[in-house]
Amino acid sequence: KQEVTQIPAALSVPEGENLVLNCSFTDSAIYNLQWFRQDPGKGLTSLLLIQSSQREQTSGRLNASLDKSSGRSTLYIAASQPGDSATYLCAVKPTDSWGKLQFGAGTQVVVTP
Amino acid sequence: DTAVSQTPKYLVTQMGNDKSIKCEQNLGHDTMYWYKQDSKKFLKIMFSYNNKELIINETVPNRFSPKSPDKAHLNLHINSLELGDSAVYFCASSQRQGNNSPLHFGNGTRLTVT
Repeated sequence: KQEVTQIPAALSVPEGENLVLNCSFTDSAIYNLQWFRQDPGKGLTSLLLIQSSQREQTSGRLNASLDKSSGRSTLYIAASQPGDSATYLCAVKPTDSWGKLQFGAGTQVVVTP
Repeated sequence: DTAVSQTPKYLVTQMGNDKSIKCEQNLGHDTMYWYKQDSKKFLKIMFSYNNKELIINETVPNRFSPKSPDKAHLNLHINSLELGDSAVYFCASSQRQGNNSPLHFGNGTRLTVT
């Protein structure tokens, strides 16, 4: 059974520092891995999607890497800003899942001015 | 111009009642989902529909019944509500299921059963 773990559960950094968020999964048979952002009282916003054949994806200050064989992904956010404060979730789409995502519990990030 | 919209945003009701949550997407997507986020913030899939056809039905009590009148709508009806049903319910959609289409989520419906 696929399990997705995110460490740490919470993180607080001063503005300007780089953020490093970790995600690990137990079964490497995946279609893709997605990183989402969730703001309080809001839905999830898709940040990056890495296909199983890819090693990384970049969008602006965000960079996500994927090491499928070791079951790990890392989301880097460069030069953090207070507006980056949110909960970040990773989710994997297993190959036998017919579309359903398996989510981690998230990392709650606070960027202090 | 909201992509995935669900109503209501908040729902407070008593045990034993029947309630519905509605979801609509204007993205032209083929696949829609219902996810449940519990108090520990874990998101778990409940149902998925592709072109109005049910394709995923997780281990969910049969008090929960999804209905898709067309591929832009997926509603969730819950009978005989229980305290344990309190959670945030998210609707989502994607272009196609089974490939690399990202999911787009609604803002959630916070259900509180008293």
